[in-house]
Amino acid sequence: EPEVTQTPSHQVTQMGQEVILRCVPISNHLYFYWYRQILGQKVEFLVSFYNNEISEKSEIFDDQFSVERPDGSNFTLKIRSTKLEDSAMYFCASSPPGQISDTQYFGPGTRLTVL
Amino acid sequence: AQKVTQAQTEISVVEKEDVTLDCVYETRDTTYYLFWYKQPPSGELVFLIRRNSFDEQNEISGRYSWNFQKSTSSFNFTITASQVVDSAVYFCALTLREDDKIIFGKGTRLHILP
Repeated sequence: EPEVTQTPSHQVTQMGQEVILRCVPISNHLYFYWYRQILGQKVEFLVSFYNNEISEKSEIFDDQFSVERPDGSNFTLKIRSTKLEDSAMYFCASSPPGQISDTQYFGPGTRLTVL
Repeated sequence: AQKVTQAQTEISVVEKEDVTLDCVYETRDTTYYLFWYKQPPSGELVFLIRRNSFDEQNEISGRYSWNFQKSTSSFNFTITASQVVDSAVYFCALTLREDDKIIFGKGTRLHILP
């Protein structure tokens, strides 16, 4: 069964460094998302992406964040200058064109640790 | 605005007991979708069920069952004859469209004691 993949599974970085989290959505999907989960808290929406542009973003998704679909398969989340509070699990998700039976498929997550 | 409330932060039960996880949602839209996800200690999100607002039929899948009641805006999840492997954090969630953001509750941490 096709699945969303994310790399790396764990990223450790120094405060102020740039990080890029990578996701490969399911191939025929058109909608892409990033979510964040700070340790022990709920999963929060960051951004959705459709037709090569951001369709919605949350207040968390400030100027430090950007997303890109650099080719036909990858979907990336860049954090320009990481802060301690960016430490979290980041989940990528994708979904096909809207159909009643479909839903968002989540990747396994990337755990980001900012030191 | 949409909201999902899981009032139970943490529950502990002894193996083989039944346990119900509560979920109350808020939305003014008449079309919406409700979900339950399981997050085991390994951290991934495991999709359990999706329900649309027009389908109030309760659902059973093995030891899992879901009770959707629009009159009380609730979508409760029951595990029958719980097992240690059911120990996880369970999230209830809501979305307005298939391609819309998912709004999660804070989750209920379930401990199944041997």
